[in-house]
Amino acid sequence: NAGVTQTPKFQVLKTGQSMTLQCAQDMNHNSMYWYRQDPGMGLRLIYYSASEGTTDKGEVPNGYNVSRLNKREFSLRLESAAPSQTSVYFCASSEKARLYEQYFGPGTRLTVT
Amino acid sequence: GENVEQHPSTLSVQEGDSAVIKCTYSDSASNYFPWYKQELGKRPQLIIDIRSNVGEKKDQRIAVTLNKTAKHFSLHITETQPEDSAVYFCAASPAGGTSYGKLTFGQGTILTVHP
Repeated sequence: NAGVTQTPKFQVLKTGQSMTLQCAQDMNHNSMYWYRQDPGMGLRLIYYSASEGTTDKGEVPNGYNVSRLNKREFSLRLESAAPSQTSVYFCASSEKARLYEQYFGPGTRLTVT
Repeated sequence: GENVEQHPSTLSVQEGDSAVIKCTYSDSASNYFPWYKQELGKRPQLIIDIRSNVGEKKDQRIAVTLNKTAKHFSLHITETQPEDSAVYFCAASPAGGTSYGKLTFGQGTILTVHP
Protein backbone atom coordinates (compact mmCIF):
# COMPACT_ATOMS: atom_id res chain seq x y z
CA ASN A 1 0.00 0.00 0.00
CA ALA A 2 1.95 3.02 -1.29
CA GLY A 3 -0.62 5.66 -0.20
CA VAL A 4 -0.28 8.82 -2.27
CA THR A 5 2.55 8.99 -4.80
CA GLN A 6 3.75 11.92 -6.87
CA THR A 7 6.10 12.32 -9.81
CA PRO A 8 8.49 13.92 -10.37
CA LYS A 9 10.17 14.72 -7.04
CA PHE A 10 12.10 17.67 -8.45
CA GLN A 11 11.75 19.73 -11.62
CA VAL A 12 13.37 22.82 -13.06
CA LEU A 13 11.55 24.66 -15.81
CA LYS A 14 12.25 27.75 -17.82
CA THR A 15 9.65 30.50 -18.02
CA GLY A 16 7.02 29.61 -20.60
CA GLN A 17 7.62 25.85 -20.53
CA SER A 18 4.80 23.47 -19.69
CA MET A 19 4.67 20.34 -17.58
CA THR A 20 2.30 17.97 -15.83
CA LEU A 21 2.62 16.82 -12.23
CA GLN A 22 1.28 13.34 -11.67
CA CYS A 23 -0.47 12.03 -8.57
CA ALA A 24 -1.93 8.63 -7.77
CA GLN A 25 -3.49 7.08 -4.66
CA ASP A 26 -4.25 3.45 -3.87
CA MET A 27 -6.54 4.00 -0.87
CA ASN A 28 -9.78 4.03 -2.89
CA HIS A 29 -10.42 7.62 -1.84
CA ASN A 30 -13.06 9.64 -3.66
CA SER A 31 -11.58 13.10 -3.11
CA MET A 32 -8.22 14.40 -4.27
CA TYR A 33 -6.49 17.77 -3.93
CA TRP A 34 -3.57 19.83 -5.19
CA TYR A 35 -1.84 22.30 -2.86
CA ARG A 36 1.13 24.55 -3.17
CA GLN A 37 3.36 25.36 -0.21
CA ASP A 38 5.33 28.59 -0.04
CA PRO A 39 7.39 29.83 2.92
CA GLY A 40 5.28 31.71 5.45
CA MET A 41 2.05 31.05 3.56
CA GLY A 42 1.06 27.60 4.64
CA LEU A 43 -0.64 25.26 2.21
CA ARG A 44 -2.96 26.81 -0.35
CA LEU A 45 -5.50 24.80 -2.30
CA ILE A 46 -5.13 25.02 -6.07
CA TYR A 47 -7.80 22.59 -7.29
CA TYR A 48 -9.69 19.68 -5.87
CA SER A 49 -11.79 16.82 -7.15
CA ALA A 50 -14.65 15.63 -4.97
CA SER A 51 -15.13 12.50 -7.06
CA GLU A 52 -14.14 10.97 -10.37
CA GLY A 53 -15.26 13.24 -13.19
CA THR A 54 -15.54 16.43 -11.15
CA THR A 55 -13.06 19.20 -10.44
CA ASP A 56 -13.37 22.58 -8.78
CA LYS A 57 -11.19 25.61 -8.18
CA GLY A 58 -9.52 26.26 -4.89
CA GLU A 59 -7.93 29.39 -3.51
CA VAL A 60 -5.17 29.88 -6.14
CA PRO A 61 -6.20 28.23 -9.46
CA ASN A 62 -4.82 30.78 -11.93
CA GLY A 63 -2.14 29.37 -14.22
CA TYR A 64 -3.08 25.73 -13.54
CA ASN A 65 -5.35 23.07 -15.00
CA VAL A 66 -6.23 19.66 -13.63
CA SER A 67 -7.50 16.34 -14.89
CA ARG A 68 -9.11 13.62 -12.79
CA LEU A 69 -8.13 10.78 -15.07
CA ASN A 70 -9.85 8.08 -13.01
CA LYS A 71 -10.51 7.39 -9.35
CA ARG A 72 -6.81 6.84 -8.64
CA GLU A 73 -5.13 9.62 -10.60
CA PHE A 74 -5.28 13.41 -10.47
CA SER A 75 -2.83 15.47 -12.52
CA LEU A 76 -1.87 19.14 -12.36
CA ARG A 77 -0.72 20.97 -15.49
CA LEU A 78 1.19 24.20 -15.83
CA GLU A 79 0.62 25.41 -19.38
CA SER A 80 3.12 28.29 -19.36
CA ALA A 81 5.27 28.27 -16.23
CA ALA A 82 6.11 31.53 -14.47
CA PRO A 83 8.69 32.23 -11.71
CA SER A 84 5.75 32.89 -9.33
CA GLN A 85 4.90 29.19 -9.65
CA THR A 86 8.16 28.17 -7.99
CA SER A 87 6.90 26.19 -5.03
CA VAL A 88 6.51 22.77 -3.45
CA TYR A 89 3.40 21.03 -4.75
CA PHE A 90 1.54 18.47 -2.70
CA CYS A 91 -1.19 16.14 -3.82
CA ALA A 92 -3.58 14.75 -1.19
CA SER A 93 -6.57 12.46 -0.98
CA SER A 94 -9.31 11.72 1.53
CA GLU A 95 -12.26 9.42 2.02
CA LYS A 96 -15.81 10.70 1.75
CA ALA A 97 -16.65 10.31 5.44
CA ARG A 98 -13.60 12.24 6.69
CA LEU A 99 -12.74 14.80 4.05
CA TYR A 100 -10.72 16.91 6.47
CA GLU A 101 -8.35 13.96 7.14
CA GLN A 102 -6.19 14.30 4.08
CA TYR A 103 -3.29 12.03 3.18
CA PHE A 104 -0.49 13.84 1.43
CA GLY A 105 2.01 12.70 -1.15
CA PRO A 106 5.76 13.35 -0.77
CA GLY A 107 5.66 16.57 -2.77
CA THR A 108 7.23 17.94 -5.95
CA ARG A 109 9.75 20.75 -5.67
CA LEU A 110 9.37 22.94 -8.76
CA THR A 111 11.69 25.77 -9.70
CA VAL A 112 10.88 28.09 -12.59
CA THR A 113 13.77 30.23 -13.82
CA GLY B 1 -14.05 32.79 1.86
CA GLU B 2 -12.46 31.44 5.00
CA ASN B 3 -9.37 33.10 6.48
CA VAL B 4 -7.25 31.35 9.11
CA GLU B 5 -4.62 33.23 11.09
CA GLN B 6 -2.01 31.30 13.10
CA HIS B 7 0.34 32.51 15.84
CA PRO B 8 3.15 32.47 16.65
CA SER B 9 5.10 31.89 13.44
CA THR B 10 8.03 30.47 15.41
CA LEU B 11 8.14 28.95 18.89
CA SER B 12 11.20 27.78 20.78
CA VAL B 13 10.90 25.79 24.00
CA GLN B 14 13.05 23.65 26.27
CA GLU B 15 12.44 19.93 26.39
CA GLY B 16 9.74 19.19 28.95
CA ASP B 17 8.06 22.58 28.63
CA SER B 18 4.60 23.08 27.15
CA ALA B 19 3.90 24.67 23.78
CA VAL B 20 0.73 26.45 22.68
CA ILE B 21 -0.21 27.44 19.14
CA LYS B 22 -3.28 29.55 18.48
CA CYS B 23 -5.48 30.01 15.41
CA THR B 24 -8.44 32.20 14.59
CA TYR B 25 -10.88 31.75 11.73
CA SER B 26 -13.41 33.98 10.06
CA ASP B 27 -16.18 31.79 8.61
CA SER B 28 -18.81 30.75 11.14
CA ALA B 29 -19.75 27.87 8.80
CA SER B 30 -16.46 26.11 9.58
CA ASN B 31 -17.02 23.05 11.74
CA TYR B 32 -13.93 20.86 11.42
CA PHE B 33 -10.54 21.98 12.70
CA PRO B 34 -7.68 19.59 11.98
CA TRP B 35 -4.04 20.07 12.94
CA TYR B 36 -1.21 18.83 10.74
CA LYS B 37 2.44 18.26 11.59
CA GLN B 38 5.14 18.52 8.96
CA GLU B 39 8.65 17.38 9.81
CA LEU B 40 11.53 18.85 7.85
CA GLY B 41 11.45 17.64 4.25
CA LYS B 42 8.42 15.43 4.86
CA ARG B 43 4.74 15.55 3.99
CA PRO B 44 2.09 17.02 6.33
CA GLN B 45 0.30 14.47 8.51
CA LEU B 46 -2.86 14.83 10.54
CA ILE B 47 -2.18 14.63 14.27
CA ILE B 48 -5.51 15.60 15.85
CA ASP B 49 -8.78 17.26 14.94
CA ILE B 50 -11.75 18.78 16.71
CA ARG B 51 -15.32 19.31 15.63
CA SER B 52 -17.54 22.25 16.47
CA ASN B 53 -19.70 20.35 18.95
CA VAL B 54 -16.67 19.55 21.12
CA GLY B 55 -14.80 22.06 23.29
CA GLU B 56 -11.68 20.05 23.99
CA LYS B 57 -10.05 16.86 22.80
CA LYS B 58 -6.93 15.11 24.12
CA ASP B 59 -4.62 12.47 22.72
CA GLN B 60 -1.74 11.65 25.03
CA ARG B 61 0.50 14.73 25.16
CA ILE B 62 -1.48 16.82 22.70
CA ALA B 63 -4.80 18.55 23.19
CA VAL B 64 -6.92 20.91 21.16
CA THR B 65 -9.45 23.43 22.41
CA LEU B 66 -12.13 25.25 20.47
CA ASN B 67 -14.06 28.41 21.29
CA LYS B 68 -16.66 28.70 18.54
CA THR B 69 -18.12 31.92 19.89
CA ALA B 70 -14.76 33.66 19.68
CA LYS B 71 -13.78 31.72 16.53
CA HIS B 72 -10.47 30.50 17.83
CA PHE B 73 -8.86 27.15 18.51
CA SER B 74 -5.54 26.09 19.98
CA LEU B 75 -3.07 23.22 20.03
CA HIS B 76 -1.40 22.36 23.33
CA ILE B 77 1.62 20.07 23.55
CA THR B 78 2.77 19.08 27.03
CA GLU B 79 6.11 17.58 28.09
CA THR B 80 7.65 18.49 24.76
CA GLN B 81 10.35 16.27 23.27
CA PRO B 82 12.93 16.97 20.54
CA GLU B 83 10.92 14.82 18.12
CA ASP B 84 8.05 17.32 18.47
CA SER B 85 10.19 19.79 16.49
CA ALA B 86 8.33 20.42 13.24
CA VAL B 87 6.03 22.86 11.47
CA TYR B 88 2.46 22.73 12.75
CA PHE B 89 -0.49 23.86 10.65
CA CYS B 90 -4.02 24.51 11.79
CA ALA B 91 -6.86 24.33 9.29
CA ALA B 92 -10.59 24.88 9.04
CA SER B 93 -13.29 23.28 6.93
CA PRO B 94 -17.07 23.60 6.72
CA ALA B 95 -19.10 20.55 7.66
CA GLY B 96 -21.08 20.28 4.47
CA GLY B 97 -22.07 21.89 1.23
CA THR B 98 -19.86 22.25 -1.79
CA SER B 99 -16.94 23.48 0.31
CA TYR B 100 -16.80 20.46 2.63
CA GLY B 101 -13.27 19.13 2.60
CA LYS B 102 -11.78 22.34 1.22
CA LEU B 103 -9.27 23.03 3.96
CA THR B 104 -8.05 26.55 4.62
CA PHE B 105 -4.69 26.37 6.36
CA GLY B 106 -2.98 28.76 8.71
CA GLN B 107 0.49 30.04 7.87
CA GLY B 108 2.25 27.48 10.06
CA THR B 109 4.27 27.54 13.30
CA ILE B 110 7.87 26.34 13.39
CA LEU B 111 8.28 24.62 16.75
CA THR B 112 11.81 23.94 17.97
CA VAL B 113 12.31 21.85 21.11
CA HIS B 114 15.80 22.22 22.59
CA PRO B 115 17.21 19.22 24.50
